[in-house]
Amino acid sequence: DAKTTQPNSMESNEEEPVHLPCNHSTISGTDYIHWYRQLPSQGPEYVIHGLTSNVNNRMASLAIAEDRKSSTLILHRATLRDAAVYYCILISNFGNEKLTFGTGTRLTIIP
Amino acid sequence: DTEVTQTPKHLVMGMTNKKSLKCEQHMGHRAMYWYKQKAKKPPELMFVYSYEKLSINESVPSRFSPECPNSSLLNLHLHALQPEDSALYLCASSQDLRFSSTDTQYFGPGTRLTVL
Repeated sequence: DAKTTQPNSMESNEEEPVHLPCNHSTISGTDYIHWYRQLPSQGPEYVIHGLTSNVNNRMASLAIAEDRKSSTLILHRATLRDAAVYYCILISNFGNEKLTFGTGTRLTIIP
Repeated sequence: DTEVTQTPKHLVMGMTNKKSLKCEQHMGHRAMYWYKQKAKKPPELMFVYSYEKLSINESVPSRFSPECPNSSLLNLHLHALQPEDSALYLCASSQDLRFSSTDTQYFGPGTRLTVL
């Protein structure tokens, strides 16, 4: 499985944008990039996913580098409720693939 | 309704006890998962059921026994556990394992298990 590398922790001020990086230099052409987050005392929740193009949804934006070796999850205006561990995960397009969680980035929001 | 429910929320059991964890979803999903999460660690996959058949077993010890009685329910039967099995047990579901690359997994809140 292709691996991802994320910073262990990040801090951001409330109501400011947050850019969470993920490196995946061994990504293959069939790997999708998924982001999940886990709020304290909850199960993980899906945030966003993409293949090549940048993606937006109501929760976040995903910016994918042109060579696909890195991506950035963007929270446009962080709130205290965004404090969580954010996981960047690669999933092959072959089907019947599992989610393999890395160590993730623990995001702290400063009021 | 995008909810996955898990019962009980908390469970304390002795090493000789037999107990079961339950998971339920009503989204019509045909893939269901059990994960184990130790404190400050990421979730680790244990089992995957696809169309009510066991599809993936991540070399989990036999003291953990999964069961999928129908497409909405997933159980994890526990017997002769060890204290190191104490963890948060998470259930998840997704529409179809065959489309895992673009599918979304929905997680329940977990059962916090303590083995004495």
